[in-house]
Amino acid sequence: GENVEQHPSTLSVQEGDSAVIKCTYSDSASNYFPWYKQELGKGPQLIIDIRSNVGEKKDQRIAVTLNKTAKHFSLHITETQPEDSAVYFCAASIGGTASKLTFGTGTRLQVTL
Amino acid sequence: NAGVTQTPKFRVLKTGQSMTLLCAQDMNHEYMYWYRQDPGMGLRLIHYSVGEGTTAKGEVPDGYNVSRLKKQNFLLGLESAAPSQTSVYFCASRGPRETQYFGPGTRLLVL
Repeated sequence: GENVEQHPSTLSVQEGDSAVIKCTYSDSASNYFPWYKQELGKGPQLIIDIRSNVGEKKDQRIAVTLNKTAKHFSLHITETQPEDSAVYFCAASIGGTASKLTFGTGTRLQVTL
Repeated sequence: NAGVTQTPKFRVLKTGQSMTLLCAQDMNHEYMYWYRQDPGMGLRLIHYSVGEGTTAKGEVPDGYNVSRLKKQNFLLGLESAAPSQTSVYFCASRGPRETQYFGPGTRLLVL
């Protein structure tokens, strides 16, 4: 089955700096790659996603890049703010399999003042 | 629109007891999922359903059963709880474009 690895497990940045979280996947058939943000005591919430026919996607301060050849994708957060502090999860899904997501192990991002 | 709701929010069980976790969604989604979240392990799929009356096993199905008698509800059952089932359980439903919407979670402690 699919295996998703995520790094780093913790990340501390100063407010205003950029943060980058990286994930690799194992199954070349994966074609959907969402990123979720989980705040303390809450369920994960989708923040951005990308499909295998696209190399990069941006939404305001958040961007995701995908390298299909290397089988890795990354989340970039620019101009970080304290409210960005949370746990971030990457995931991968193979099309046609009931959209089953395989998640990475998460990155705890702390934005310090 | 309440989205995805889960009951209960928190429960303590003794080893061997049984319980049912309820997930409800009001978005008319076909696909629903149950995950467990453990420290350092991300979210792992327990069971899922692609429509009313259907269920399928995920990555870690042992010790759990599910039922989808109504489209809006997805139940997760533990017949004989074990300490290894101490976890936070999340339900999700899938909307357009494969986006999964998660509930707030149920925290379960098995003593």
